[in-house]
Amino acid sequence: DTEVTQTPKHLVMGMTNKKSLKCEQHMGHRAMYWYKQKAKKPPELMFVYSYEKLSINESVPSRFSPECPNSSLLNLHLHALQPEDSALYLCASSQPASGRAGEQFFGPGTRLTVL
Amino acid sequence: DQQVKQNSPSLSVQEGRISILNCDYTNSMFDYFLWYKKYPAEGPTFLISISSIKDKNEDGRFTVFLNKSAKHLSLHIVPSQPGDSAVYFCAAAVMGGATNKLIFGTGTLLAVQP
Repeated sequence: DTEVTQTPKHLVMGMTNKKSLKCEQHMGHRAMYWYKQKAKKPPELMFVYSYEKLSINESVPSRFSPECPNSSLLNLHLHALQPEDSALYLCASSQPASGRAGEQFFGPGTRLTVL
Repeated sequence: DQQVKQNSPSLSVQEGRISILNCDYTNSMFDYFLWYKKYPAEGPTFLISISSIKDKNEDGRFTVFLNKSAKHLSLHIVPSQPGDSAVYFCAAAVMGGATNKLIFGTGTLLAVQP
């Protein structure tokens, strides 16, 4: 299984809602990532988990809260978002070991719209 | 400050010809480079990578060239096929540790004309 899955595919939420994005991989990868991609822009790193511990937070606002319950799952909890947070949210995973550690496998993304 | 740049937002090539996508970087600490392909409504798909200890890596129709002195890399696709039409991102990283922070370029939209 070389797939990263993300649910939901699309999400529309109001500024007062609480929602969660989910990501799952079964490749045995021990590093998982959240990226945000706006239209016509490159993916921008938000968070990195390594061995289920948060290792990088790219100064992301606290209205985004990541969680890594186990080595296969990654969540992104959303609360009190702003319309400018509307974007494609991508999850990725990679092997932490040397060699092809730079190769990150991406999921299809969740298209988020904040009203 | 854009550390990884793709100066051509788009490129159009005839089927069967060579596609050359270019990427420049500014951070001399980068030691690993990757190319990703992205179709609309899908996540990026890894294509090919190169370590800074090499200057060329080939995988089927895809070849990546790295010129460290010029801080430049390029992706060659030969022969180009209509199914190659997509946005191509180059990415760079400083290897080491358990995770790698990829810095993506702005992307080049490749259109392969039948």
